[in-house]
Amino acid sequence: EIVMTQSPATLSVSPGERATLSCRASQSVGRNLAWYLQQPGQAPRLLIFAASTRATGIPARFSGSGSGTEFTLTISSPQSEDFAVYYCQQYDNWPGTFGQGTKVEIK
Amino acid sequence: QVQLVQSGAEVKKPGSSVRVSCMASGGTFSTYDFNWVRQAPGQGLEWMGGIIPVFGNAKYAQKFQGRVTITADQSTSTAYMELSGLRSEDTAVYYCARSPGIAAAGKSYYFDHWGQGTLVTVSS
Repeated sequence: EIVMTQSPATLSVSPGERATLSCRASQSVGRNLAWYLQQPGQAPRLLIFAASTRATGIPARFSGSGSGTEFTLTISSPQSEDFAVYYCQQYDNWPGTFGQGTKVEIK
Repeated sequence: QVQLVQSGAEVKKPGSSVRVSCMASGGTFSTYDFNWVRQAPGQGLEWMGGIIPVFGNAKYAQKFQGRVTITADQSTSTAYMELSGLRSEDTAVYYCARSPGIAAAGKSYYFDHWGQGTLVTVSS
Protein backbone atom coordinates (compact mmCIF):
# COMPACT_ATOMS: atom_id res chain seq x y z
CA GLU A 1 0.00 0.00 0.00
CA ILE A 2 1.33 3.45 -0.96
CA VAL A 3 1.82 5.81 1.98
CA MET A 4 0.99 9.47 1.43
CA THR A 5 2.65 12.05 3.66
CA GLN A 6 1.43 15.63 3.82
CA SER A 7 3.31 18.61 5.19
CA PRO A 8 3.02 20.69 7.16
CA ALA A 9 0.36 19.35 9.50
CA THR A 10 -0.82 22.92 10.12
CA LEU A 11 -0.19 25.96 7.94
CA SER A 12 -0.88 29.45 9.28
CA VAL A 13 -1.41 32.07 6.60
CA SER A 14 -2.83 35.56 6.45
CA PRO A 15 -5.82 36.15 4.17
CA GLY A 16 -4.48 36.94 0.73
CA GLU A 17 -1.07 35.37 1.43
CA ARG A 18 -0.08 32.46 -0.82
CA ALA A 19 -0.43 29.02 0.77
CA THR A 20 1.64 26.05 -0.38
CA LEU A 21 0.83 22.52 0.73
CA SER A 22 2.96 19.45 0.03
CA CYS A 23 2.16 15.79 -0.49
CA ARG A 24 4.72 13.04 -0.89
CA ALA A 25 4.11 9.45 -2.04
CA SER A 26 6.17 6.48 -0.84
CA GLN A 27 6.54 5.39 -4.48
CA SER A 28 5.76 6.94 -7.83
CA VAL A 29 2.08 7.51 -8.58
CA GLY A 30 2.63 9.25 -11.91
CA ARG A 31 0.11 12.08 -12.02
CA ASN A 32 -2.69 10.05 -10.42
CA LEU A 33 -3.10 12.41 -7.50
CA ALA A 34 -6.17 14.23 -6.22
CA TRP A 35 -6.68 17.00 -3.66
CA TYR A 36 -9.75 17.51 -1.48
CA LEU A 37 -10.93 20.30 0.78
CA GLN A 38 -12.90 19.52 3.91
CA GLN A 39 -14.63 22.31 5.80
CA PRO A 40 -15.71 21.67 9.40
CA GLY A 41 -18.70 19.35 9.62
CA GLN A 42 -18.78 18.87 5.86
CA ALA A 43 -17.95 16.08 3.47
CA PRO A 44 -14.70 16.35 1.52
CA ARG A 45 -14.93 18.16 -1.81
CA LEU A 46 -12.82 17.35 -4.86
CA LEU A 47 -10.52 20.25 -5.83
CA ILE A 48 -7.92 18.79 -8.17
CA PHE A 49 -7.44 15.51 -10.02
CA ALA A 50 -4.69 14.27 -12.33
CA ALA A 51 -2.30 16.36 -10.21
CA SER A 52 -3.24 19.67 -11.83
CA THR A 53 -6.78 19.59 -13.31
CA ARG A 54 -9.31 21.65 -11.37
CA ALA A 55 -12.63 19.96 -10.74
CA THR A 56 -15.86 21.56 -11.95
CA GLY A 57 -16.57 24.88 -10.24
CA ILE A 58 -13.23 25.16 -8.44
CA PRO A 59 -11.81 28.70 -8.52
CA ALA A 60 -8.59 29.45 -10.37
CA ARG A 61 -6.84 30.45 -7.11
CA PHE A 62 -6.38 26.70 -6.52
CA SER A 63 -3.60 25.07 -8.54
CA GLY A 64 -1.86 21.72 -8.36
CA SER A 65 1.50 20.60 -9.63
CA GLY A 66 3.93 17.73 -9.43
CA SER A 67 4.40 14.17 -10.61
CA GLY A 68 5.98 10.96 -9.44
CA THR A 69 6.37 11.28 -5.68
CA GLU A 70 6.22 15.05 -5.01
CA PHE A 71 3.08 17.15 -5.32
CA THR A 72 2.03 20.66 -4.37
CA LEU A 73 -1.29 22.42 -3.90
CA THR A 74 -1.12 26.21 -4.05
CA ILE A 75 -3.83 28.61 -2.97
CA SER A 76 -2.82 31.90 -4.49
CA SER A 77 -4.90 34.21 -2.29
CA PRO A 78 -6.87 32.28 0.35
CA GLN A 79 -10.40 33.45 1.05
CA SER A 80 -12.19 32.92 4.36
CA GLU A 81 -13.88 29.75 3.12
CA ASP A 82 -10.50 28.21 2.21
CA PHE A 83 -9.38 27.90 5.83
CA ALA A 84 -10.05 24.21 6.31
CA VAL A 85 -8.34 20.81 6.03
CA TYR A 86 -6.84 19.56 2.77
CA TYR A 87 -6.19 15.94 1.86
CA CYS A 88 -4.24 14.41 -1.00
CA GLN A 89 -5.10 10.97 -2.39
CA GLN A 90 -3.18 8.74 -4.77
CA TYR A 91 -5.19 6.57 -7.12
CA ASP A 92 -2.41 5.08 -9.21
CA ASN A 93 -2.44 1.91 -7.15
CA TRP A 94 -5.17 -0.13 -5.50
CA PRO A 95 -6.22 0.66 -2.86
CA GLY A 96 -6.26 4.42 -3.17
CA THR A 97 -4.74 6.03 -0.10
CA PHE A 98 -5.05 9.42 1.56
CA GLY A 99 -2.58 11.65 3.28
CA GLN A 100 -3.22 12.57 6.90
CA GLY A 101 -4.27 16.12 6.00
CA THR A 102 -3.00 19.69 6.28
CA LYS A 103 -5.02 22.19 8.24
CA VAL A 104 -4.85 25.71 6.80
CA GLU A 105 -5.64 28.26 9.48
CA ILE A 106 -5.79 32.03 9.68
CA LYS A 107 -2.62 33.61 11.06
CA GLN B 1 -26.84 16.95 -10.92
CA VAL B 2 -25.56 13.95 -8.99
CA GLN B 3 -26.64 13.69 -5.35
CA LEU B 4 -25.77 11.05 -2.80
CA VAL B 5 -28.09 10.98 0.20
CA GLN B 6 -27.16 8.81 3.15
CA SER B 7 -29.22 7.36 5.97
CA GLY B 8 -29.27 8.95 9.39
CA ALA B 9 -27.05 8.69 12.44
CA GLU B 10 -26.86 5.41 14.35
CA VAL B 11 -25.96 4.45 17.90
CA LYS B 12 -24.89 0.84 18.29
CA LYS B 13 -23.70 -1.50 21.01
CA PRO B 14 -20.29 -3.15 20.81
CA GLY B 15 -20.45 -6.43 18.93
CA SER B 16 -23.51 -5.45 16.91
CA SER B 17 -23.77 -4.52 13.22
CA VAL B 18 -24.72 -1.35 11.40
CA ARG B 19 -26.02 -0.83 7.88
CA VAL B 20 -25.69 2.54 6.17
CA SER B 21 -27.40 3.37 2.90
CA CYS B 22 -26.51 5.79 0.12
CA MET B 23 -29.15 6.68 -2.48
CA ALA B 24 -27.91 8.17 -5.72
CA SER B 25 -29.85 10.47 -8.00
CA GLY B 26 -29.11 12.58 -11.02
CA GLY B 27 -26.93 10.15 -12.91
CA THR B 28 -26.48 6.59 -14.10
CA PHE B 29 -26.12 4.31 -11.10
CA SER B 30 -25.02 0.95 -12.41
CA THR B 31 -21.81 1.83 -14.20
CA TYR B 32 -20.06 3.94 -11.58
CA ASP B 33 -17.89 2.89 -8.68
CA PHE B 34 -19.49 3.56 -5.28
CA ASN B 35 -17.13 3.60 -2.36
CA TRP B 36 -17.21 3.94 1.43
CA VAL B 37 -14.73 6.16 3.25
CA ARG B 38 -14.74 6.66 7.00
CA GLN B 39 -13.39 9.37 9.27
CA ALA B 40 -12.90 8.82 12.99
CA PRO B 41 -13.29 11.90 15.21
CA GLY B 42 -10.47 14.35 14.53
CA GLN B 43 -8.78 11.92 12.16
CA GLY B 44 -8.16 11.56 8.42
CA LEU B 45 -9.93 9.70 5.65
CA GLU B 46 -9.83 5.91 5.35
CA TRP B 47 -11.10 3.99 2.33
CA MET B 48 -13.07 0.88 3.26
CA GLY B 49 -14.24 -0.61 -0.01
CA GLY B 50 -16.30 -0.11 -3.11
CA ILE B 51 -18.66 -1.69 -5.61
CA ILE B 52 -19.60 -1.23 -9.25
CA PRO B 53 -23.32 -2.10 -9.26
CA VAL B 54 -23.45 -3.58 -12.77
CA PHE B 55 -20.70 -6.06 -11.83
CA GLY B 56 -21.91 -6.65 -8.30
CA ASN B 57 -18.63 -7.81 -6.76
CA ALA B 58 -17.26 -5.55 -4.07
CA LYS B 59 -13.63 -4.89 -3.17
CA TYR B 60 -12.53 -4.28 0.38
CA ALA B 61 -9.55 -2.79 2.14
CA GLN B 62 -7.58 -5.51 3.87
CA LYS B 63 -8.18 -3.90 7.26
CA PHE B 64 -11.94 -4.47 6.95
CA GLN B 65 -11.96 -7.85 5.20
CA GLY B 66 -14.41 -10.18 6.92
CA ARG B 67 -16.21 -7.39 8.77
CA VAL B 68 -17.59 -5.20 5.99
CA THR B 69 -20.07 -6.03 3.27
CA ILE B 70 -20.87 -3.58 0.49
CA THR B 71 -23.86 -4.18 -1.76
CA ALA B 72 -25.86 -2.25 -4.33
CA ASP B 73 -29.52 -2.35 -5.36
CA GLN B 74 -29.85 -1.20 -8.95
CA SER B 75 -33.64 -1.02 -8.72
CA THR B 76 -33.43 1.75 -6.11
CA SER B 77 -30.02 3.23 -7.04
CA THR B 78 -28.86 2.60 -3.49
CA ALA B 79 -25.54 1.38 -2.19
CA TYR B 80 -25.18 -0.18 1.27
CA MET B 81 -22.34 -0.69 3.68
CA GLU B 82 -22.73 -3.12 6.55
CA LEU B 83 -20.07 -3.30 9.25
CA SER B 84 -20.22 -6.09 11.81
CA GLY B 85 -18.46 -6.81 15.08
CA LEU B 86 -18.59 -3.14 16.02
CA ARG B 87 -16.14 -1.80 18.57
CA SER B 88 -15.59 1.64 20.02
CA GLU B 89 -12.87 2.34 17.45
CA ASP B 90 -15.49 2.11 14.71
CA THR B 91 -17.10 5.32 15.95
CA ALA B 92 -16.77 7.54 12.92
CA VAL B 93 -18.52 9.40 10.15
CA TYR B 94 -19.05 7.08 7.20
CA TYR B 95 -19.19 8.65 3.74
CA CYS B 96 -20.24 7.17 0.45
CA ALA B 97 -18.28 8.58 -2.46
CA ARG B 98 -18.67 8.04 -6.19
CA SER B 99 -15.86 7.76 -8.66
CA PRO B 100 -16.27 9.38 -12.10
CA GLY B 101 -15.58 6.12 -13.88
CA ILE B 102 -14.28 2.59 -13.53
CA ALA B 103 -10.62 2.23 -12.74
CA ALA B 104 -8.35 -0.03 -14.74
CA ALA B 105 -7.15 -3.26 -13.15
CA GLY B 106 -4.78 -2.60 -10.28
CA LYS B 107 -5.70 1.06 -10.18
CA SER B 108 -8.00 3.13 -8.05
CA TYR B 109 -9.89 6.36 -8.73
CA TYR B 110 -10.64 9.67 -7.15
CA PHE B 111 -14.07 10.67 -5.82
CA ASP B 112 -16.02 13.48 -7.44
CA HIS B 113 -19.28 13.19 -5.49
CA TRP B 114 -19.74 12.56 -1.78
CA GLY B 115 -22.69 11.89 0.47
CA GLN B 116 -23.32 14.05 3.49
CA GLY B 117 -21.91 11.47 5.90
CA THR B 118 -23.48 9.23 8.53
CA LEU B 119 -22.27 9.32 12.13
CA VAL B 120 -22.06 5.87 13.68
CA THR B 121 -21.46 5.86 17.41
CA VAL B 122 -20.47 2.62 19.12
CA SER B 123 -21.07 2.75 22.83
CA SER B 124 -22.21 0.45 25.58
